[in-house]
Order: sequence, then structure tokens, then C-alpha cells
Amino acid sequence: SQQGEEDPQALSIQEGENATMNCSYKTSINNLQWYRQNSGRGLVHLILIRSNEREKHSGRLRVTLDTSKKSSSLLITASRAADTASYFCATVSDNQGGKLIFGQGTELSVKP
Amino acid sequence: DTGVSQDPRHKITKRGQNVTFRCDPISEHNRLYWYRQTLGQGPEFLTYFQNEAQLEKSRLLSDRFSAERPKGSFSTLEIQRTEQGDSAMYLCASSSPGQGSGYTFGSGTRLTVV
Repeated sequence: SQQGEEDPQALSIQEGENATMNCSYKTSINNLQWYRQNSGRGLVHLILIRSNEREKHSGRLRVTLDTSKKSSSLLITASRAADTASYFCATVSDNQGGKLIFGQGTELSVKP
Repeated sequence: DTGVSQDPRHKITKRGQNVTFRCDPISEHNRLYWYRQTLGQGPEFLTYFQNEAQLEKSRLLSDRFSAERPKGSFSTLEIQRTEQGDSAMYLCASSSPGQGSGYTFGSGTRLTVV
């Protein structure tokens, strides 16, 4: 079963613009992770944020977590055509056996 | 170690045939996971192992599906009597508990049942 929802389902921007994707989830979590998937390929781990953290940065990525609203956002700054991919949030919860549960994903298209 | 390997990359089979996929995880990782992904959807959890023990199976995993990890290293996922609804990408991932570094996924096996 899917843990939550991502918004928007699809996003199209120009190179150089920022891209923001949102994720909502349903149960209390230990951590939340973001993954990228290029078409027809496996998933690549981008960043992990723990339930006691509110914001985390990695290069051009910024992730926020609001546990009171059960939501997270992923911001990609100064986007590039190579950022075109699907982005998934996934949660880990003790009450779900500690395994990753994925959302439906956001399909990002960055036009050169 | 070059990451998680899955074999084959693609498999086309006729309905009713059995298929088996293999996953070789990162050698230091003791946890191994199988997920299934259909077009436009997020990966859905199927099952996972800690070492050789299969700790959890999803309700998605019907009796036609079986997974093994006999020596706590590579794993196989077998689907018996395949149906068209089994067509999907089957993803394998591995991790070590407590590192907080996320899962490492393989490139997946794309199954097409005709």
C-alpha cells in the first residue's frame, strides 16, 4: 500500500528555475527519504531526513519536514535538463516494519 | 563492489510459464528487499530478508510468488504460472540497518507477460 500522496503529479519548468515537490504521509515516521528515478531505471537515493529534523541540504537539494502536518517538500534549485526524472518520497515507520513505503511520485520535466 | 545487480534486465514470457529473477545485493548489506513497480506508480513492497530470514511478505505476494535468500547473499524471486497482470518492473534493493543512508536499488527486471 502507498503511504501518501505527492503533489504535483507532473511538473514542467525551464532550465534555471527552481522545482518544488510536496509529499504527504499518513502515519508517524522514523525518517523520510527522497529518491530519483530516470525512465526505465532503478531508484537513486537523494537525501534522508529524520523525524527530529526540520530541514536538510545536499548540494542543490533542500528538504523540509513538518511532522505536525505530516508533510515534506523537496526543492531543487537552479534546475538542469539532467534533473528530468520522477521523484519519489518514501517513509520508514516502526509500525510498518521498518521498510520503505513509497508515494506515487512527481514527474519532473526540465526544458533546456 | 559496484552496487546491486539484477538479472535479467528484461524478460518476455508467455502466460502460464514460470520465471525466476536474481538479485545480488551489496555484500556488506544484510537486508534485501523486493518491490514491484507498474507504469506511472511508485514501487510497491513485496518482501524483505534480513540475512537469510524472510521477515515480511506483502499481501500482494500471492501463492504464485516465492522468494529465497538461501545463504544470506543473493536472492531469487520466482513467479509461477505467470499472468498478464504480473507485467511490471521488479526492483531489488539492499541496505544495512541503522546507517540511515537509504536503500541502494538495482536497475530492475522488466517482465512482460504475453
